[in-house]
Amino acid sequence: AQKVTQAQTEISVVEKEDVTLDCVYETRDTTYYLFWYKQPPSGELVFLIRRNSFDEQNEISGRYSWNFQKSTSSFNFTITASQVVDSAVYFCALSENSGGGADGLTFGKGTHLIIQP
Amino acid sequence: DVKVTQSSRYLVKRTGEKVFLECVQDMDHENMFWYRQDPGLGLRLIYFSYDVKMKEKGDIPEGYSVSREKKERFSLILESASTNQTSMYLCASSLSGFVGRGNTIYFGEGSWLTVV
Repeated sequence: AQKVTQAQTEISVVEKEDVTLDCVYETRDTTYYLFWYKQPPSGELVFLIRRNSFDEQNEISGRYSWNFQKSTSSFNFTITASQVVDSAVYFCALSENSGGGADGLTFGKGTHLIIQP
Repeated sequence: DVKVTQSSRYLVKRTGEKVFLECVQDMDHENMFWYRQDPGLGLRLIYFSYDVKMKEKGDIPEGYSVSREKKERFSLILESASTNQTSMYLCASSLSGFVGRGNTIYFGEGSWLTVV
């Protein structure tokens, strides 16, 4: 079973629309960490946010916000008033002690976000 | 800011060639990683290193080796390149400790390797 599921393979919206990228995870650990990364066409994976399992407060950073809900095992990412520069592939990742790869990290397959002008 | 630098952005190599991909980080991180990224398969860990001269196999180490002679530098070596190693390779680094304890991994810009 997939540990990190990003069900949306591709999303296309028009500039200035709000868009939410979904991430659902699965773990047996009580302590774990969740991450979001952005990968623009240039290729670099840019770190956006890290959240630990004990902190369920939502986070806002400019036009970006994250909604962490342990009850539904979700860590969704919303971009408000999207811009063309937001076009990228976005990855959600889970870090846990008991599972994941040799690095303890499991990435989702990514969501390709296209912002049309 | 954390900086992970990969020496080559685009490479084209012939089948059977020995290929070196170099990576340098400037944040004194103990852990360094090599991933490859392929469409539909996501990111897959090839090797990682938690200290100088130490290395651990990741999920897909076959056909690769690594070298870490200095803390800031981690090299990925393809002993005899094959066409199925055509991919995007990402280097990364993080602070010491098991990544499962939540250390953020910082990535480089990636190296696009084509083997013909």
